Amino acid sequence: DVKVTQSSRYLVKRTGEKVFLECVQDMDHENMFWYRQDPGLGLRLIYFSYDVKMKEKGDIPEGYSVSREKKERFSLILESASTNQTSMYLCASSSPYEYYGYTFGSGTRLTVV
Amino acid sequence: QQQVKQSPQSLIVQKGGIPIINCAYENTAFDYFPWYQQFPGKGPALLIAIRPDVSEKKEGRFTISFNKSAKQFSLHIMDSQPGDSATYFCAARPSGSGGSNYKLTFGKGTLLTVNP
Repeated sequence: DVKVTQSSRYLVKRTGEKVFLECVQDMDHENMFWYRQDPGLGLRLIYFSYDVKMKEKGDIPEGYSVSREKKERFSLILESASTNQTSMYLCASSSPYEYYGYTFGSGTRLTVV
Repeated sequence: QQQVKQSPQSLIVQKGGIPIINCAYENTAFDYFPWYQQFPGKGPALLIAIRPDVSEKKEGRFTISFNKSAKQFSLHIMDSQPGDSATYFCAARPSGSGGSNYKLTFGKGTLLTVNP
């Protein structure tokens, strides 16, 4: 069974901390994505990567950065966490050669206090 | 920015009812329209998808209807069950190739509640 694994289900961090959210996929997918999900706002794309060391900004990249050093791993970094970054973060992966859509992880609920 | 508009935001039906969720898109350069189902505490999961060269697709109790000329597509759930209670997202993918064309554009989601 294909999987996208996010390292933490729940995280509580303090304002100003540097936060790393990790995502690993075992499907050899080229594309990986980070979304945040907030009530009433749906899924908003933060960053995506279509190859190792390649990245593109999504719709709401401010306050975030990403790293993709290996094909299977895509990290989201909050350089200096703020309370407005409290949210559910979802990682997803996909292959550009298939019409199977995204496979999502179970999400990380981040609370910044 | 290309958009997909989804309605309603929430929907309550009785068991056995047929909830219908609608989505409309603004740009004709989409070539793949998936629907995702998300249960509380889980990530969204692909439910069913359609290409624009067909007008309808059925998988079990779930049906997508697609109207290319109106740029609209909808999800129907036949004989709905309490276990179908979830958030549903429609999405669309741009046609063509290249990094930016791998992104899905999502609707804002519909919270469906099916009462026993």
